Amino acid sequence: GNSVTQMEGPVTLSEEAFLTINCTYTATGYPSLFWYVQYPGEGLQLLLKATKADDKGSNKGFEATYRKETTSFHLEKGSVQVSDSAVYFCALRNNAGNMLTFGGGTRLMVKP
Amino acid sequence: GAGVSQSPSNKVTEKGKDVELRCDPISGHTALYWYRQRLGQGLEFLIYFQGNSAPDKSGLPSDRFSAERTGESVSTLTIQRTQQEDSAVYLCASSKRQGTDEKLFFGSGTQLSVL
Repeated sequence: GNSVTQMEGPVTLSEEAFLTINCTYTATGYPSLFWYVQYPGEGLQLLLKATKADDKGSNKGFEATYRKETTSFHLEKGSVQVSDSAVYFCALRNNAGNMLTFGGGTRLMVKP
Repeated sequence: GAGVSQSPSNKVTEKGKDVELRCDPISGHTALYWYRQRLGQGLEFLIYFQGNSAPDKSGLPSDRFSAERTGESVSTLTIQRTQQEDSAVYLCASSKRQGTDEKLFFGSGTQLSVL
């Protein structure tokens, strides 16, 4: 079956530090890959997505590249801000498109 | 409304009682999904609806869990004879239609605590 594994948190960084949150997946076929973000007290929001190998999703300074050879979709940001503090979820969607499989979530805490 | 709305936002109940959770999707969204997030764990798929039919019920944890949807509108998730392990945040999401690229919009969830 499908599964998503992401690094455990919390990840604590100082403002302007470089961020990487690792995500690897197991899936049949060619899933679409997503990063969702959950800010404190809010619902999940789509951060970025990639639908095929070598695609790069980007939004709000965050980037992730769909690497089929390593089955990975690592999230990166060059310079984090306090406002980026949230829980980040990596997810994949199977070919039928009927459900998302989520990783366990990684809490990011950015200190001024 | 502008987004997916869930109610109640918090529910505390006693073990053995039934609870009903409600989700109002974005108007016009035909696909609706229910997920569960236990403390410290990832999101767990429960069930999805395309219109008012549920082609995939594989994620429902037990026969105490059921869900229904009226047309392409409100959905209710019912948990009968609640147990402490049912304590979690229950998230609802909707999208215009089912599909790999369709963007999901999530509600803020219902925090269920079973004492």
